[in-house]
Amino acid sequence: AQSVTQPDIHITVSEGASLELRCNYSYGATPYLFWYVQSPGQGLQLLLKYFSGDTLVQGIKGFEAEFKRSQSSFNLRKPSVHWSDAAEYFCAVGTTSGTYKYIFGTGTRLKVLA
Amino acid sequence: DAGVTQSPTHLIKTRGQHVTLRCSPISGHKSVSWYQQVLGQGPQFIFQYYEKEERGRGNFPDRFSARQFPNYSSELNVNALLLGDSALYLCASSFLAGVETQYFGPGTRLLVL
Repeated sequence: AQSVTQPDIHITVSEGASLELRCNYSYGATPYLFWYVQSPGQGLQLLLKYFSGDTLVQGIKGFEAEFKRSQSSFNLRKPSVHWSDAAEYFCAVGTTSGTYKYIFGTGTRLKVLA
Repeated sequence: DAGVTQSPTHLIKTRGQHVTLRCSPISGHKSVSWYQQVLGQGPQFIFQYYEKEERGRGNFPDRFSARQFPNYSSELNVNALLLGDSALYLCASSFLAGVETQYFGPGTRLLVL
């Protein structure tokens, strides 16, 4: 079955610290992978995406993610977190079997301590 | 350019009522997808439309229906509302219906009492 797992429901980091949010997917074919961020009461903003090619992708706001096929992972990283990064982060896989649609993880809520 | 717009932003209904949510895609985008996001969960796929045709449906009851208009805007209709339909309904647009990046609107928050 196709699925996305975000093992960490909540993560708290201090401002200026590094961040890694985990994402594991289960999908038989080549995955199309995305990270979105959602601020309270808002829609989803695309941070970055992986379709093919270089497995380290750069996104907006200083985020990057690395696709590791052997580990079925697509973890999101940021070297130095800012207070404005506090939000909920969703990993998604775009499936091409049948209708192309996103399957989302349950999200990781990031809290940033001043 | 304007992003995806949705209306209304908030809505309160009672059980058994009907609701219509509206979405305007990014200019030039021909595909619209709808997702339901229940509090504390990730969005769940409901429908995708492309060129006014339904291209896919998620695991939702027949009380949920949608359509797409010639200008590519879309409506999501939900009949016989249940308490469990309370959620944030997100519309996403993309240029095509295939492997594409989907751009999301701000959502409509529906509360069913």
